[in-house]
Amino acid sequence: GENVEQHPSTLSVQEGDSAVIKCTYSDSASNYFPWYKQELGKRPQLIIDIRSNVGEKKDQRIAVTLNKTAKHFSLHITETQPEDSAVYFCAASRRLSWGKLQFGAGTQVVVTP
Amino acid sequence: DVKVTQSSRYLVKRTGEKVFLECVQDMDHENMFWYRQDPGLGLRLIYFSYDVKMKEKGDIPEGYSVSREKKERFSLILESASTNQTSMYLCASSQGTSGWTYEQYFGPGTRLTVT
Repeated sequence: GENVEQHPSTLSVQEGDSAVIKCTYSDSASNYFPWYKQELGKRPQLIIDIRSNVGEKKDQRIAVTLNKTAKHFSLHITETQPEDSAVYFCAASRRLSWGKLQFGAGTQVVVTP
Repeated sequence: DVKVTQSSRYLVKRTGEKVFLECVQDMDHENMFWYRQDPGLGLRLIYFSYDVKMKEKGDIPEGYSVSREKKERFSLILESASTNQTSMYLCASSQGTSGWTYEQYFGPGTRLTVT
């Protein structure tokens, strides 16, 4: 089955700097790659996703890039703010899998003022 | 606005008890999922369901069962609770049309403690 590895497990950045989280996946049939953000005590929520027919997607300060050949994808957060502090999860999925997601272990991001 | 609710935010049970966790979604989603969340291990899939009365094992089904008698409701059952099942349990749902994967919407979670 699919295996998703996520690095780093913790990331501390100064406010205003950029943060990058990387994930690798094993199943070459995977074609959907979402990122979820979980603030302390809250439920995970989707912040951005990308399908395999595009290489990059951007939404304001966050962007996701996908390299299908190398089977890895990354989340980029620019101009980080204290409210970006959270746990971020990457995930991967393939078509016809009943919407099942394989999640990475998560990255704790701490933005210090 | 999608709403996924879970029956309890906090639950304390004794070893050997039968435990029911319930999840309800109001968006007519076909797919529903149960995860457990432990520090450093991410979200691990226990069971999922893609239709009423249909269920599939996830990555860690041992010690759990599920029930989906109605489309909007998905129950997780711990037949005989053990201390290693102390965890945060998250329910999620997603639409399931056309075979594509879509956003999963999560419930608020149930923090289960087994003593």
